[in-house]
Amino acid sequence: EVQLLESGGGLVQPGGSLRLSCAASGFNFGEHAMNWVRQAPGKGLEWVSALNSAGDSTFYADSVKGRFTISRDNSKNTLYLQMNDLSAEDTAVYYCANTMETYYFDYWGQGTLVTVSS
Amino acid sequence: IVLTQSPATLSLSPGETATLSCRASQSVSSYLGWYQQRPGQTPRLLIYDTSNRATGTPARFSGSGSGTDFTLTISSLEPEDSAVYYCQQRVNWLLTFGPGTKVEIK
Repeated sequence: EVQLLESGGGLVQPGGSLRLSCAASGFNFGEHAMNWVRQAPGKGLEWVSALNSAGDSTFYADSVKGRFTISRDNSKNTLYLQMNDLSAEDTAVYYCANTMETYYFDYWGQGTLVTVSS
Repeated sequence: IVLTQSPATLSLSPGETATLSCRASQSVSSYLGWYQQRPGQTPRLLIYDTSNRATGTPARFSGSGSGTDFTLTISSLEPEDSAVYYCQQRVNWLLTFGPGTKVEIK
């Protein structure tokens, strides 16, 4: 069974940093691209970032480019999202998701809430 | 690529048919998917590449379209179909979602 478990969310002050993790199991993690998708409270879905299976090609939404960094450790079956210079607009539930079956978001974690507030 | 969905809200009775629209600002070929998000739940992939049902998607969900105009049709609505439905394109790595259509079951 595919499982994705996010962690690392919490309350952070504007301008601060946070690193999210996503522990994967139930599939060959190192063979699949991974993504982060976020959802602000009461709002829609926003794709944030993607990383290929090898970890050497990254993609970012314009809203986070230059501030967020996606990475992975295939030996630990873990995806990361380093978030710097956070603002209130980054407040959201952050989901990790993979596209292993259809090239769409087939599997989602339960999400971790990031709140940016003073 | 900007995706626009209409209507914003749809209120229908059980057994009726829901027709949801998704329009892209430029062609996405057939690379358009649909997700369902019930209240308090994570999104679930329903349809991929315009018209292919994902594993576990009931046959009363169907997708159509091409290029810039796409439709998700939900036949014989059931109370469990009450949710927000999002379209998403994958024509390139800069993935985008539409703003969603909320389907309410009377």
